[in-house]
Amino acid sequence: GESVGLHLPTLSVQEGDNSIINCAYSNSASDYFIWYKQESGKGPQFIIDIRSNMDKRQGQRVTVLLNKTVKHLSLQIAATQPGDSAVYFCAENTLNTGNQFYFGTGTSLTVIP
Amino acid sequence: DAGVTQSPTHLIKTRGQQVTLRCSPKSGHDTVSWYQQALGQGPQFIFQYYEEEERQRGNFPDRFSGHQFPNYSSELNVNALLLGDSALYLCASWGFAGRTSGNTIYFGEGSWLTVV
Repeated sequence: GESVGLHLPTLSVQEGDNSIINCAYSNSASDYFIWYKQESGKGPQFIIDIRSNMDKRQGQRVTVLLNKTVKHLSLQIAATQPGDSAVYFCAENTLNTGNQFYFGTGTSLTVIP
Repeated sequence: DAGVTQSPTHLIKTRGQQVTLRCSPKSGHDTVSWYQQALGQGPQFIFQYYEEEERQRGNFPDRFSGHQFPNYSSELNVNALLLGDSALYLCASWGFAGRTSGNTIYFGEGSWLTVV
């Protein structure tokens, strides 16, 4: 069955440092991945996505890395700010499952001022 | 350009009652999915609607049903509510061609359901 997991349930970083949030998936057929940020009491907010034909994609202060060999995904946040404190989810999708996304349980990021 | 909008934002129901949650997709999107997010968990897929039909369903009982209207908006209905149905219910939308055109899936802020 599908399995999307996160290595660390909680992460604390100093303001200004870089953050790395990891995610593992089990389905080698997964071909689309999204990182979401969810602040308390709010719905998930899209951060960045990556397709399986890419290894790296950069956004504003964020970079997603995809290692298909070991089925691992990471989200790097540069110069972490207090506003980055939230729960981060990775979600994966596989073409043969249609538009159903599988989410991990999330990593709670706390930025220490 | 409005994003995905959901209503109501919060509601309290009694065990055994029925509830209807509503969703309007992001402009230009024609596919709507519903997710249930229990406290401290990631969202779990309930079902997806496209062209007014349920296209895909997750592991949820028949008490969970839905509908999509010609304007692409959608409703989620839950009958015979259980205490365990208390959760954040999220609606997500995208264009059906999105996966090949680069569009992504967007979530609304959700409807908080408490069953007492």
